[in-house]
Amino acid sequence: GAVVSQHPSRVICKSGTSVKIECRSLDFQATTMFWYRQFPKKSLMLMATSNEGSKATYEQGVEKDKFLINHASLTLSTLTVTSAHPEDSSFYICSARWGSKETQYFGPGTRLLVL
Amino acid sequence: GENVEQHPSTLSVQEGDSAVIKCTYSDSASNYFPWYKQELGKGPQLIIDIRSNVGEKKDQRIAVTLNKTAKHFSLHITETQPEDSAVYFCAASPPGGTALIFGKGTTLSVSS
Repeated sequence: GAVVSQHPSRVICKSGTSVKIECRSLDFQATTMFWYRQFPKKSLMLMATSNEGSKATYEQGVEKDKFLINHASLTLSTLTVTSAHPEDSSFYICSARWGSKETQYFGPGTRLLVL
Repeated sequence: GENVEQHPSTLSVQEGDSAVIKCTYSDSASNYFPWYKQELGKGPQLIIDIRSNVGEKKDQRIAVTLNKTAKHFSLHITETQPEDSAVYFCAASPPGGTALIFGKGTTLSVSS
């Protein structure tokens, strides 16, 4: 299957700082990327959908100024958690698909801990 | 909108037994149903998928069945092994290219 990478895999930051997470599709052009958040022992919660070259569409309840998403190229999307607080600590996972294909391939996830 | 229900939430089996996980969906227009396996601390991995024009699909020890009339689909794992232990998620894809809708997951434990 297609390969999606995320960087970093783990990050610890102080409260009030910003953290950027990268999501890359390594062997295909991702026209659409999705960002999810997952709490321990819970399902994946969709945060936003981003299409290459256009603004991300955020799910209800997700603050767009808090979670900045950029999808500047067909292989890279970034999620920036601005002014992070302890309640933002979570497992963030991206996924990608290409064209009209429904299949989504997930990255390995990023564990964020805000102290 | 689409809603996906998944059962059971936990499933414990002995090595060599079969495991079945069931999901129901609400939007009859949904046409794509993948299954993902997630190991602890990792991202979900696609293990099998099925489209609405197919009733069953098999890949070695894993099979998925789809009943469009009843709007439910199931994952079947035969000859389970300890390495099958993980959380399994079903999902449904509504029409229009929107994101997958996931079930709440099933924690499968295979004991040797």
